[in-house]
Amino acid sequence: QKEVEQNSGPLSVPEGAIASLNCTYSDRGSQSFFWYRQYSGKSPELIMFIYSNGDKEDGRFTAQLNKASQYVSLLIRDSQPSDSATYLCAAEPGGGADGLTFGKGTHLIIQP
Amino acid sequence: DVKVTQSSRYLVKRTGEKVFLECVQDMDHENMFWYRQDPGLGLRLIYFSYDVKMKEKGDIPEGYSVSREKKERFSLILESASTNQTSMYLCASSLWGQGIMNTEAFFGQGTRLTVV
Repeated sequence: QKEVEQNSGPLSVPEGAIASLNCTYSDRGSQSFFWYRQYSGKSPELIMFIYSNGDKEDGRFTAQLNKASQYVSLLIRDSQPSDSATYLCAAEPGGGADGLTFGKGTHLIIQP
Repeated sequence: DVKVTQSSRYLVKRTGEKVFLECVQDMDHENMFWYRQDPGLGLRLIYFSYDVKMKEKGDIPEGYSVSREKKERFSLILESASTNQTSMYLCASSLWGQGIMNTEAFFGQGTRLTVV
């Protein structure tokens, strides 16, 4: 059974601080990993994807991947109240048609 | 702009009714998916399809069926709706192919189905 685990939260972070979201996955064959943001009542939207070990930066967001530890993280710098949402981590086996396996999400609250 | 469109945003149906949820994508994607999302349970895959007329069961297919007659359209069917199928239903599509690392799933806006 392929699983993606996330702490459900809520994770409360002061405005302007760094928010750190973590995710572990069980399937060692997973090759690509995705972070989605989902506002209440809305559908998920992609923030970043990563498939190489190390860091990948995009604006205020940095995704980190450690395949040996089967660990993925998302850092949000200079957190804003608009970052308050549920963040979903997803893993994909790599080029296949099985679709993404999603974690249950971490609820992030940025406190003004 | 890429688009996945679900036919209804909100739907209320009676127990025992046959329910059709429609999804259309304009990105020429091979893969299409139906998920349901419930509080505390996250996104769970019901069915997916990687080609026209092809379908595969996901994690929770019981009580559902699907149809994919055209590449751009993927329908979810609740054969006899029950109250435990009250949920948010999300359709998604993605590329498929060996070696493609960005298989981002693009989501529709969701259909909130209530079965009474």
